[in-house]
Amino acid sequence: GAVVSQHPSRVICKSGTSVKIECRSLDFQATTMFWYRQFPKKSLMLMATSNEGSKATYEQGVEKDKFLINHASLTLSTLTVTSAHPEDSSFYICSARGQAGSTYEQYFGPGTRLTVT
Amino acid sequence: GENVEQHPSTLSVQEGDSAVIKCTYSDSASNYFPWYKQELGKGPQLIIDIRSNVGEKKDQRIAVTLNKTAKHFSLHITETQPEDSAVYFCAASLGYDKVIFGPGTSLSVIP
Repeated sequence: GAVVSQHPSRVICKSGTSVKIECRSLDFQATTMFWYRQFPKKSLMLMATSNEGSKATYEQGVEKDKFLINHASLTLSTLTVTSAHPEDSSFYICSARGQAGSTYEQYFGPGTRLTVT
Repeated sequence: GENVEQHPSTLSVQEGDSAVIKCTYSDSASNYFPWYKQELGKGPQLIIDIRSNVGEKKDQRIAVTLNKTAKHFSLHITETQPEDSAVYFCAASLGYDKVIFGPGTSLSVIP
Protein backbone atom coordinates (compact mmCIF):
# COMPACT_ATOMS: atom_id res chain seq x y z
CA GLY A 1 0.00 0.00 0.00
CA ALA A 2 0.85 3.67 -0.18
CA VAL A 3 3.20 5.15 2.41
CA VAL A 4 2.50 8.26 4.45
CA SER A 5 5.05 9.68 6.86
CA GLN A 6 4.72 12.16 9.70
CA HIS A 7 7.32 14.25 11.44
CA PRO A 8 7.99 14.52 14.28
CA SER A 9 6.73 11.31 15.87
CA ARG A 10 6.79 12.89 19.32
CA VAL A 11 7.04 16.49 20.45
CA ILE A 12 6.97 18.19 23.82
CA CYS A 13 6.45 21.92 23.95
CA LYS A 14 5.74 24.57 26.49
CA SER A 15 2.36 26.19 26.86
CA GLY A 16 2.01 29.22 24.60
CA THR A 17 4.39 28.05 21.90
CA SER A 18 3.50 26.80 18.41
CA VAL A 19 4.22 23.38 16.97
CA LYS A 20 4.30 22.29 13.33
CA ILE A 21 3.61 18.72 12.23
CA GLU A 22 4.44 17.56 8.72
CA CYS A 23 2.61 14.90 6.73
CA ARG A 24 4.11 13.53 3.53
CA SER A 25 2.88 11.04 0.95
CA LEU A 26 6.05 9.24 -0.10
CA ASP A 27 5.07 7.28 -3.18
CA PHE A 28 1.94 8.87 -4.53
CA GLN A 29 0.44 12.27 -5.13
CA ALA A 30 -2.14 13.15 -2.51
CA THR A 31 -4.74 15.56 -3.78
CA THR A 32 -6.55 15.38 -0.46
CA MET A 33 -5.14 15.10 3.03
CA PHE A 34 -7.02 14.74 6.29
CA TRP A 35 -6.02 15.61 9.83
CA TYR A 36 -7.37 13.65 12.77
CA ARG A 37 -7.05 13.88 16.51
CA GLN A 38 -7.26 10.85 18.73
CA PHE A 39 -7.67 10.73 22.50
CA PRO A 40 -6.57 7.65 24.50
CA LYS A 41 -8.77 4.63 23.82
CA LYS A 42 -11.03 6.67 21.58
CA SER A 43 -11.80 6.75 17.90
CA LEU A 44 -10.35 9.16 15.36
CA MET A 45 -11.94 12.59 15.22
CA LEU A 46 -11.67 14.38 11.91
CA MET A 47 -10.38 17.92 12.33
CA ALA A 48 -10.10 19.15 8.77
CA THR A 49 -9.85 18.20 5.12
CA SER A 50 -7.38 19.91 2.83
CA ASN A 51 -7.07 19.82 -0.91
CA GLU A 52 -3.82 20.82 -2.56
CA GLY A 53 -3.77 24.52 -3.27
CA SER A 54 -7.03 25.25 -1.49
CA LYS A 55 -8.02 26.38 1.98
CA ALA A 56 -8.76 23.61 4.42
CA THR A 57 -12.31 22.71 5.38
CA TYR A 58 -12.64 22.45 9.14
CA GLU A 59 -15.10 20.29 11.04
CA GLN A 60 -17.58 21.91 13.34
CA GLY A 61 -16.00 22.88 16.65
CA VAL A 62 -12.42 22.92 15.37
CA GLU A 63 -10.79 26.34 15.64
CA LYS A 64 -9.22 27.18 12.29
CA ASP A 65 -7.10 29.96 13.78
CA LYS A 66 -5.65 27.58 16.31
CA PHE A 67 -5.03 24.62 14.01
CA LEU A 68 -3.49 26.04 10.85
CA ILE A 69 -3.38 23.66 7.92
CA ASN A 70 -1.36 24.15 4.78
CA HIS A 71 -1.37 21.82 1.76
CA ALA A 72 1.08 23.53 -0.53
CA SER A 73 2.06 20.55 -2.66
CA LEU A 74 0.72 17.18 -3.72
CA THR A 75 3.02 15.41 -1.26
CA LEU A 76 3.08 17.68 1.79
CA SER A 77 0.56 19.02 4.28
CA THR A 78 1.36 20.70 7.58
CA LEU A 79 -0.63 21.21 10.76
CA THR A 80 0.48 24.02 13.07
CA VAL A 81 -0.92 24.11 16.57
CA THR A 82 -0.67 27.75 17.58
CA SER A 83 -0.37 28.97 21.15
CA ALA A 84 -0.56 25.41 22.40
CA HIS A 85 -2.11 24.62 25.78
CA PRO A 86 -2.13 21.41 27.83
CA GLU A 87 -5.61 20.54 26.54
CA ASP A 88 -4.12 20.36 23.01
CA SER A 89 -2.04 17.37 24.10
CA SER A 90 -3.15 14.49 21.93
CA PHE A 91 -2.23 12.04 19.19
CA TYR A 92 -2.48 13.76 15.80
CA ILE A 93 -2.75 11.60 12.70
CA CYS A 94 -2.84 12.58 9.05
CA SER A 95 -4.10 10.58 6.12
CA ALA A 96 -3.74 11.03 2.40
CA ARG A 97 -5.78 10.07 -0.59
CA GLY A 98 -4.78 9.96 -4.23
CA GLN A 99 -6.41 11.73 -7.10
CA ALA A 100 -10.20 11.76 -7.13
CA GLY A 101 -11.55 9.47 -9.77
CA SER A 102 -8.89 6.88 -9.11
CA THR A 103 -9.33 5.73 -5.56
CA TYR A 104 -11.37 6.09 -2.39
CA GLU A 105 -8.65 4.68 -0.16
CA GLN A 106 -7.06 6.78 2.58
CA TYR A 107 -3.65 5.87 3.92
CA PHE A 108 -2.62 6.98 7.36
CA GLY A 109 0.61 8.28 8.77
CA PRO A 110 2.13 6.86 11.96
CA GLY A 111 0.88 9.74 14.09
CA THR A 112 2.48 12.49 16.18
CA ARG A 113 2.25 12.49 19.96
CA LEU A 114 2.01 16.09 21.17
CA THR A 115 2.53 16.88 24.84
CA VAL A 116 2.09 20.47 26.01
CA THR A 117 3.56 21.23 29.43
CA GLY B 1 -24.72 13.12 8.64
CA GLU B 2 -23.32 9.61 8.72
CA ASN B 3 -23.11 7.75 12.02
CA VAL B 4 -21.25 4.47 12.43
CA GLU B 5 -21.77 2.11 15.35
CA GLN B 6 -19.53 -0.84 16.15
CA HIS B 7 -19.83 -3.91 18.38
CA PRO B 8 -18.39 -5.32 20.49
CA SER B 9 -16.14 -2.70 22.06
CA THR B 10 -13.82 -5.42 23.37
CA LEU B 11 -13.35 -8.96 22.16
CA SER B 12 -11.15 -11.77 23.48
CA VAL B 13 -10.64 -14.99 21.53
CA GLN B 14 -8.39 -17.98 21.82
CA GLU B 15 -5.64 -18.29 19.26
CA GLY B 16 -6.95 -20.17 16.24
CA ASP B 17 -10.56 -19.18 16.79
CA SER B 18 -12.49 -16.73 14.64
CA ALA B 19 -13.31 -13.13 15.51
CA VAL B 20 -16.29 -11.18 14.19
CA ILE B 21 -16.83 -7.44 14.49
CA LYS B 22 -20.09 -5.88 13.39
CA CYS B 23 -20.89 -2.33 12.30
CA THR B 24 -23.96 -0.41 11.27
CA TYR B 25 -24.22 2.86 9.41
CA SER B 26 -27.01 5.40 9.07
CA ASP B 27 -26.63 7.02 5.65
CA SER B 28 -27.99 4.75 2.93
CA ALA B 29 -25.99 6.74 0.37
CA SER B 30 -22.64 5.59 1.79
CA ASN B 31 -20.86 3.37 -0.69
CA TYR B 32 -17.36 2.73 0.65
CA PHE B 33 -16.58 0.76 3.82
CA PRO B 34 -12.94 0.39 4.89
CA TRP B 35 -11.59 -1.44 7.91
CA TYR B 36 -8.51 -0.29 9.77
CA LYS B 37 -6.21 -1.99 12.28
CA GLN B 38 -4.44 0.20 14.80
CA GLU B 39 -1.65 -1.03 17.02
CA LEU B 40 -0.71 0.85 20.16
CA GLY B 41 1.02 4.15 19.43
CA LYS B 42 0.72 3.77 15.66
CA GLY B 43 -1.49 5.11 12.91
CA PRO B 44 -4.37 3.06 11.49
CA GLN B 45 -3.55 0.59 8.74
CA LEU B 46 -6.06 -0.18 6.00
CA ILE B 47 -6.58 -3.96 6.05
CA ILE B 48 -9.54 -4.45 3.76
CA ASP B 49 -12.36 -2.46 2.21
CA ILE B 50 -15.55 -3.09 0.33
CA ARG B 51 -17.69 -1.04 -2.00
CA SER B 52 -21.47 -1.05 -2.13
CA ASN B 53 -21.65 -2.99 -5.38
CA VAL B 54 -20.04 -6.00 -3.69
CA GLY B 55 -21.55 -8.20 -0.98
CA GLU B 56 -18.42 -9.95 0.22
CA LYS B 57 -14.68 -9.66 -0.11
CA LYS B 58 -11.94 -11.91 1.18
CA ASP B 59 -8.21 -11.54 1.60
CA GLN B 60 -6.50 -14.58 3.11
CA ARG B 61 -7.73 -14.81 6.74
CA ILE B 62 -9.77 -11.63 6.57
CA ALA B 63 -13.22 -11.23 5.03
CA VAL B 64 -15.79 -8.47 5.03
CA THR B 65 -19.50 -8.75 4.29
CA LEU B 66 -21.92 -5.97 3.45
CA ASN B 67 -25.71 -5.91 3.69
CA LYS B 68 -26.86 -2.64 2.15
CA THR B 69 -30.51 -3.31 2.85
CA ALA B 70 -29.88 -3.64 6.56
CA LYS B 71 -27.06 -1.08 6.49
CA HIS B 72 -24.59 -3.27 8.30
CA PHE B 73 -21.21 -4.75 7.52
CA SER B 74 -18.94 -7.15 9.33
CA LEU B 75 -15.28 -8.10 9.59
CA HIS B 76 -14.37 -11.76 9.97
CA ILE B 77 -10.89 -12.90 10.99
CA THR B 78 -10.27 -16.63 10.87
CA GLU B 79 -7.47 -18.62 12.49
CA THR B 80 -6.59 -15.71 14.73
CA GLN B 81 -3.00 -15.19 15.80
CA PRO B 82 -1.54 -13.14 18.68
CA GLU B 83 -0.32 -10.54 16.18
CA ASP B 84 -3.95 -9.87 15.27
CA SER B 85 -4.35 -8.24 18.68
CA ALA B 86 -5.08 -4.55 18.07
CA VAL B 87 -7.91 -2.03 17.86
CA TYR B 88 -10.04 -2.40 14.76
CA PHE B 89 -12.10 0.44 13.30
CA CYS B 90 -14.84 0.17 10.74
CA ALA B 91 -15.71 3.23 8.69
CA ALA B 92 -18.11 4.47 6.06
CA SER B 93 -18.04 7.17 3.45
CA LEU B 94 -19.82 8.42 0.38
CA GLY B 95 -17.33 8.17 -2.42
CA TYR B 96 -14.66 10.81 -2.06
CA ASP B 97 -16.28 12.42 0.95
CA LYS B 98 -14.80 12.22 4.42
CA VAL B 99 -14.59 8.84 6.13
CA ILE B 100 -16.59 8.45 9.33
CA PHE B 101 -15.12 6.02 11.86
CA GLY B 102 -16.82 3.70 14.29
CA PRO B 103 -15.78 3.77 17.97
CA GLY B 104 -13.42 0.80 17.60
CA THR B 105 -13.09 -2.77 18.88
CA SER B 106 -10.17 -3.85 21.02
CA LEU B 107 -9.32 -7.42 19.98
CA SER B 108 -7.17 -9.62 22.19
CA VAL B 109 -5.99 -12.98 20.90
CA ILE B 110 -4.97 -15.23 23.77
CA PRO B 111 -2.14 -17.66 23.00
